[in-house]
Amino acid sequence: AQKVTQAQTEISVVEKEDVTLDCVYETRDTTYYLFWYKQPPSGELVFLIRRNSFDEQNEISGRYSWNFQKSTSSFNFTITASQVVDSAVYFCALSEDTGGFKTIFGAGTRLFVKA
Amino acid sequence: SQTIHQWPATLVQPVGSPLSLECTVEGTSNPNLYWYRQAAGRGLQLLFYSVGIGQISSEVPQNLSASRPQDRQFILSSKKLLLSDSGFYLCAWSVIEKDPEDRLNYGYTFGSGTRLTVV
Repeated sequence: AQKVTQAQTEISVVEKEDVTLDCVYETRDTTYYLFWYKQPPSGELVFLIRRNSFDEQNEISGRYSWNFQKSTSSFNFTITASQVVDSAVYFCALSEDTGGFKTIFGAGTRLFVKA
Repeated sequence: SQTIHQWPATLVQPVGSPLSLECTVEGTSNPNLYWYRQAAGRGLQLLFYSVGIGQISSEVPQNLSASRPQDRQFILSSKKLLLSDSGFYLCAWSVIEKDPEDRLNYGYTFGSGTRLTVV
């Protein structure tokens, strides 16, 4: 069965600090998809990244970077030089290549960035 | 372009009243559609998903039901709301496409959500 664990419930940092949000997943499928979403106070879910299980390349997008390690079933997200606007809840999610492509979410990590 | 519409944005309903939330998708055909609920301060819980018209899979037994009367329309309903039905309801759709190397790529997009308060 699918499972996504985000062990960090809340993280508080000061602006310009780097912060890493952890995500560990469980799946029996060999083909799966991992996602990170941002949920600002307004509530909508903002898509950040999708990673396919067959592509282990890490990715950098501006201040955001993602480290995908199949050996440890982890897909961690790092924000470099954090800003107040990064304050939000961040969700890691997993979707398996099975009927329905259901996506299961972790419990989320609430990030507070203080000025 | 592909868009997803969800309404209403906010809803306050008394206990015991019925519920109908609607979600429609534009710019695609035969999408997979999903309903999620997020209780206050909690993560997202998958409630229902549908891979085609009239095909509904329920993930969590509860006071809610879902229907898909048209290809791009997904409705979440309840005959009698409970206090515990309060939450943030999100509709989502997924599209599956192949990349140049013939591997499946998968996208997942959410609507703007409906904040339901049962009083």
